[in-house]
Amino acid sequence: DTGVSQDPRHKITKRGQNVTFRCDPISEHNRLYWYRQTLGQGPEFLTYFQNEAQLEKSRLLSDRFSAERPKGSFSTLEIQRTEQGDSAMYLCASSMSTGGFYGYTFGSGTRLTVV
Amino acid sequence: DQQVKQNSPSLSVQEGRISILNCDYTNSMFDYFLWYKKYPAEGPTFLISISSIKDKNEDGRFTVFLNKSAKHLSLHIVPSQPGDSAVYFCAGGYNNDMRFGAGTRLTVKP
Repeated sequence: DTGVSQDPRHKITKRGQNVTFRCDPISEHNRLYWYRQTLGQGPEFLTYFQNEAQLEKSRLLSDRFSAERPKGSFSTLEIQRTEQGDSAMYLCASSMSTGGFYGYTFGSGTRLTVV
Repeated sequence: DQQVKQNSPSLSVQEGRISILNCDYTNSMFDYFLWYKKYPAEGPTFLISISSIKDKNEDGRFTVFLNKSAKHLSLHIVPSQPGDSAVYFCAGGYNNDMRFGAGTRLTVKP
């Protein structure tokens, strides 16, 4: 197992286009998280899944954002009608159900640039 | 609302000396706190955590101290090594929520 994988690493898109990112967590981890990080800030929570169930969504996750985790394996994060303010690093993390005390394993992120 | 604050954006220390990274928080609900390290072009890597009922946790060269009355925690790295140069994030967690500070960039000079 090579850790948490995210694809693509970089994405440049025009304003108004839709984009989709993929995250493959560590196989034995049943929790999966999406975070967003902008320049000079720490990661901000977007949403998390326990297996295939999306259990929590941040108010940062507007109706243009949707996340799925079919069959409790990989996850996708889609942004519709992208705006320049969506430009950020999108981080995926996974953990066992014991939660955050033992730390999340983060992927390397997808850097989105909206032009 | 910024529940976790790292007021020093950067810190520079000499190799072999102690690095002290500081973090303040406002949310009394946090059950635990963590430190992550981040190298460029990589995701954050978990370093060390501490329960809110403890005041110290040590792992090798890394020690985290928690002062609940002051709502303050710190990470001590002794001795500091050039490979420790990275951005360090402090985070507080409760239930399934984890809030991060903005990070402190540590530079360890040889």
